Amino acid sequence: DQQVKQNSPSLSVQEGRISILNCDYTNSMFDYFLWYKKYPAEGPTFLISISSIKDKNEDGRFTVFLNKSAKHLSLHIVPSQPGDSAVYFCAASDSGGSNYKLTFGKGTLLTVNP
Amino acid sequence: DAGITQSPRHKVTETGTPVTLRCHQTENHRYMYWYRQDPGHGLRLIHYSYGVKDTDKGEVSDGYSVSRSKTEDFLLTLESATSSQTSVYFCAISVGTGELFFGEGSRLTVL
Repeated sequence: DQQVKQNSPSLSVQEGRISILNCDYTNSMFDYFLWYKKYPAEGPTFLISISSIKDKNEDGRFTVFLNKSAKHLSLHIVPSQPGDSAVYFCAASDSGGSNYKLTFGKGTLLTVNP
Repeated sequence: DAGITQSPRHKVTETGTPVTLRCHQTENHRYMYWYRQDPGHGLRLIHYSYGVKDTDKGEVSDGYSVSRSKTEDFLLTLESATSSQTSVYFCAISVGTGELFFGEGSRLTVL
């Protein structure tokens, strides 16, 4: 049973436009959510996170929105740049007792076209 | 830089042979993890450790064992490698803030 779902395997956007990546979760115990970015032949790198006590967190061009009632979060990248082309993983954890384990989605390949 | 080193970075082996992957951290972080990444599956947790000699299973632990005899080293062993274990393996550490920091990965091919 997949607890974190990224239903779009890929997304293609034009440089300068907004990229919106979506993620759904099923486990009600999850209260901390993260986005990771991964380039080929490299390890995943942490991008941005949000706690369940918030509904928005912003860091430069990256904003994460959380809708707890819908068990849905999204990552907005504005404006998108060619260097943003990568696989983006959504991840979640139960901060109350999970030993910091993260459960990941399958990832979305973002391609930003010049 | 979280100071994680994985070795080997690339390995090709044959079915039935044992394989050990090593993860080394330069700081004394308590929590360490092994994930595998496969197309269509994302990142899946194999095993993790919450201290020296303290380990537990993740969601895809069958066919894998781990050991942690020192804080800085976390070993992943495939006792008898199978083709289904062809994957990219990532070690990660927690620094206690909720985020995990990952190594650069070990690509394993089992023929």
